[in-house]
Amino acid sequence: GIQVEQSPPDLILQEGANSTLRCNFSDSVNNLQWFHQNPWGQLINLFYIPSGTKQNGRLSATTVATERYSLLYISSSQTTDSGVYFCAGTDYTGANSKLTFGKGITLSVRP
Amino acid sequence: EAQVTQNPRYLITVTGKKLTVTCSQNMNHEYMSWYRQDPGLGLRQIYYSMNVEVTDKGDVPEGYKVSRKEKRNFPLILESPSPNQTSLYFCASSGQGFYEQYFGPGTRLTVT
Repeated sequence: GIQVEQSPPDLILQEGANSTLRCNFSDSVNNLQWFHQNPWGQLINLFYIPSGTKQNGRLSATTVATERYSLLYISSSQTTDSGVYFCAGTDYTGANSKLTFGKGITLSVRP
Repeated sequence: EAQVTQNPRYLITVTGKKLTVTCSQNMNHEYMSWYRQDPGLGLRQIYYSMNVEVTDKGDVPEGYKVSRKEKRNFPLILESPSPNQTSLYFCASSGQGFYEQYFGPGTRLTVT
């Protein structure tokens, strides 16, 4: 199966700063998604982005499928952005049998 | 409101006592799955279902059972729980395949 690597593993930001989170895949991937797990444990789907660029408020994501990576941009960070960010994808085999997650990036935004 | 619900949210039980964690979604999604989240191991898929009466194993199915008799419900059954099944469990659903997964609030299970 595919391997998913996220970097950096931990990130500390001052409120208002910008950041880029990266997700690399070992092989071609489908159904690429980004999730945010807030400090209370809730998992929220941020983007479904198998390719291209999407934006939602202060967050945006870009996936370059041919180079097997995706980036999540957070601009003007706020304390509510704290938590763990996961990317996930499936094997590009058409079977869609397994969604593989990265280990996550822990983000702390300080006031 | 579109949502995935899980019950119970917290459960402490003893080894060997059968339990069921319920999962229900109100979005008419075909696809549902169960994950467990453990420190250092991330999220791992237990079972998934592509439609009613269609289920298949994920990465870590040992010790778990599921059933999908209705489209909206996908319960997770632990016939004989053991301490290594202590974990945070998430149910998720999506309209088709793995497109845009919606997660439930999680169930924190402790097996003593």
